Amino acid sequence: DIQMTQSPSSLSASVGDRVTITCRASQNILTYLNWYQQRPGKAPKLLIYTASTLESGVPSRFSGSGSGTDFTLTISSLQPEDFATYYCQQSYSSQQLTFGGGTKLEIK
Amino acid sequence: EVQLVESGGGLVKPGGSLRLSCAASGFTFGDVWMSWVRQGPGKGLEWVGRIKRKIDGVTTDYAAPVKARFIISRDDSKNTLYLQMNSLKIEDTAVYYCTTDSALDYFDNWGQGALVTVSS
Repeated sequence: DIQMTQSPSSLSASVGDRVTITCRASQNILTYLNWYQQRPGKAPKLLIYTASTLESGVPSRFSGSGSGTDFTLTISSLQPEDFATYYCQQSYSSQQLTFGGGTKLEIK
Repeated sequence: EVQLVESGGGLVKPGGSLRLSCAASGFTFGDVWMSWVRQGPGKGLEWVGRIKRKIDGVTTDYAAPVKARFIISRDDSKNTLYLQMNSLKIEDTAVYYCTTDSALDYFDNWGQGALVTVSS
């Protein structure tokens, strides 16, 4: 299986900050990398697919980049509703889809 | 508006069985791949398995921990997805989400989740 490692596992930041979350794959996954946001008690929500394509309706302060094994999710200016847990997911190995362990973004 | 509504969750003893359903609306169900994703208490997300649409052969794939115990099926006439869970283990305790699965295997719509608790 392809292992997905996110860092950091938790992060404290303030409203207005620029934040970057990293996801590393255990092998080359080209750009088959997706990002999700999960607020407490809610279902996850797709933010970005194929590494850098913003899902419809997602604010433009979210962006994704990377290819191969290293990927980043950036939030350009944190808003109160962005405090949540973020997950990456690889879709390169279509018979064994895997998620990263998550990054919990908390208010400083 | 896309809606996915899971049902059938509950408490079951180890070794028991349970079937989850997911009622879909707001899109052409038969045109879409579907997946189940679960989340153990206080844990991250784990893909359970996927079923493709009829024109792609209705083929299924499963994560290693559930292979040979779980079965995903669909009834396109009822716009419903199913997850038959057999030989349940304590570690199968989780919220189970029904999701639409794009042909690029990202999950673009999610249900609210159904809680399955495996305990004696």
